[in-house]
Amino acid sequence: SQQGEEDPQALSIQEGENATMNCSYKTSINNLQWYRQNSGRGLVHLILIRSNEREKHSGRLRVTLDTSKKSSSLLITASRAADTASYFCATDASGAGSYQLTFGKGTKLSVIP
Amino acid sequence: DAGVTQSPTHLIKTRGQQVTLRCSPKSGHDTVSWYQQALGQGPQFIFQYYEEEERQRGNFPDRFSGHQFPNYSSELNVNALLLGDSALYLCASRSWRKNTEAFFGQGTRLTVV
Repeated sequence: SQQGEEDPQALSIQEGENATMNCSYKTSINNLQWYRQNSGRGLVHLILIRSNEREKHSGRLRVTLDTSKKSSSLLITASRAADTASYFCATDASGAGSYQLTFGKGTKLSVIP
Repeated sequence: DAGVTQSPTHLIKTRGQQVTLRCSPKSGHDTVSWYQQALGQGPQFIFQYYEEEERQRGNFPDRFSGHQFPNYSSELNVNALLLGDSALYLCASRSWRKNTEAFFGQGTRLTVV
């Protein structure tokens, strides 16, 4: 079953604009991760935010986490055509010594040159 | 440093047949997880292997089985293939003791006809 729900399902923007994707989840988590997937191939890890963190940056990426609302957002600033991909949030709710990621259905981002 | 490698890249099988997919984890990683991703969906957790034992299992039937070898590489076996088993199968690796991100391979695209 899917724990996370990304919103929107699809997003189309012009190059240079910012893209914001949201993720909601249902249970308590240890951490939340964002991944990118190009053309149905492998997943590329973007950023991990732990349950005791509220915001994290990596290059043009900014992730926020609100555990009280069970939600997270991914902001990509100054988007490029190469950012065109599907983006997934994944939650890790398992205890120590185990590791099971639960993914949402993803947001399909199209960046128009 | 090679990342996670999976073989084969693509595979076509007939309904009722059996298939074996292979995964070599990233150097330094000892834990391997397998995920199934149907078209338009997020990855779904199948199972995880550590120290050659299945540690966690998702909601998949016994037709799905796996193995981990002493060198940490892993195999996913699916028996009595169904049309619904057509999907992208992803392997992810990480270090058991470190609560960090998982690295994914490029996946094996299985088509059952």
